[in-house]
Order: sequence, then C-alpha cells, then structure tokens
Amino acid sequence: EAGVTQFPSHSVIEKGQTVTLRCDPISGHDNLYWYRRVMGKEIKFLLHFVKESKQDESGMPNNRFLAERTGGTYSTLKVQPAELEDSGVYFCASTGTVNTGELFFGEGSRLTVL
Amino acid sequence: RKEVEQDPGPFNVPEGATVAFNCTYSNSASQSFFWYRQDCRKEPKLLMSVYSSGNEDGRFTAQLNRASQYISLLIRDSKLSDSATYLCVVTSAGNNRKLIWGLGTSLAVNP
Repeated sequence: EAGVTQFPSHSVIEKGQTVTLRCDPISGHDNLYWYRRVMGKEIKFLLHFVKESKQDESGMPNNRFLAERTGGTYSTLKVQPAELEDSGVYFCASTGTVNTGELFFGEGSRLTVL
Repeated sequence: RKEVEQDPGPFNVPEGATVAFNCTYSNSASQSFFWYRQDCRKEPKLLMSVYSSGNEDGRFTAQLNRASQYISLLIRDSKLSDSATYLCVVTSAGNNRKLIWGLGTSLAVNP
C-alpha cells in the first residue's frame, strides 16, 4: 500500500513568488493534516481536513497560505506571495482513525525562499 | 514557556548503553501522549504511545506522570540503528487531533 506522498520534495523560489505543494494521503484516509517545521523550531500544526472540509485551520500563519482538498482526496497548500520566513519543511500526514494519535507522514516538501 | 519541552541533546552513547529521555508538557488538560522517531531528513514515525500505567515495547519503555506533567522514554541495550531524533508529542486539550510537538532529543549511538 502506498504511503503519504508529497510533491515536490524540494522547492527553491524567490521572495514574492508562488509555490504550490501537493499531498496525496493514504487511500481511504479521511483525515489529512499539514504541519510545518521551520529550522530550529518545533513541528507546528497548520490545518486539518476531514474529507474536503477544513476541520481546524487555526495554525495557518496568515492569509498568504491557502489549503484546499477538493473532492476529499489529495490536498494542495499554496503560498502566495512567499516570504523568507516561510522557508521550512512542510509535512503532510493522514490517518483513518482520529483518536489513536498515529499520523502517517509524508517525507515532506522542503521549501527554500531566497 | 514552550508547550512541550525536551532536552535537545545530543546524547552520545556507546552501543549497549541504556539511555533515558525526559519531556514535560505545560497543559494539564492534554489527553494523549506519544513518542515519535525521526531519522535525518526523513518524516516522523510513531514509536509508541504513552499510557499512565507505563508501557513497554521490546527495548523501549515509556512512562507518563500526569501529576508532574512528565513523560519519559527509556531505551535499553542501544543499537546503532537507534540513532535518530526522538520527539515528544501531546495532543492539545479538548482536541484529540492536533499534535503539539517538542523540539526533539538527538541520540547518537556509537560503535
């Protein structure tokens, strides 16, 4: 069974540009999460989808970030316009069972904003 | 104060050693507790859940002290393959789905 896949694995863009990250969760997993790790900091929650609905987006840093999950399958996270402080690793995770605490993570998309 | 605090290390131990990691959390209403493991430039993976009664999985033992808001992980008979970062994770109060992460403790097991 395929795990959580993320694309691209690494993106280097200039300040002001736009980047879109994609996450394909494990098939059948209704719950999809985005997390981010900025260098030297803890992994931080960004948002949570249940199917196509945003369950919790309290961790989204600001309105430059837009997440979608049309059709309840894959998700995209767009950063527009990117700023230097957006650099970090963006992890996507999915789970089919909400309360176990076991999230299955993708390998992450490393974003570098120059 | 950080919500989840860990000693970042690094811990450098010889093969076969026993090593213990500690973690404290600030919100007494936190409901669930976990240790995740992350290898260099890889994704975090669940190592084990942590229960009030304590739990063991092979060479790994996890303990939770709710009164002290303290979580521990003990690794016995360390292997080279145990080298990784160990992340202490709690779920936010009132929401079992949002994970709050510690910075992680780096472990290097040396031959």
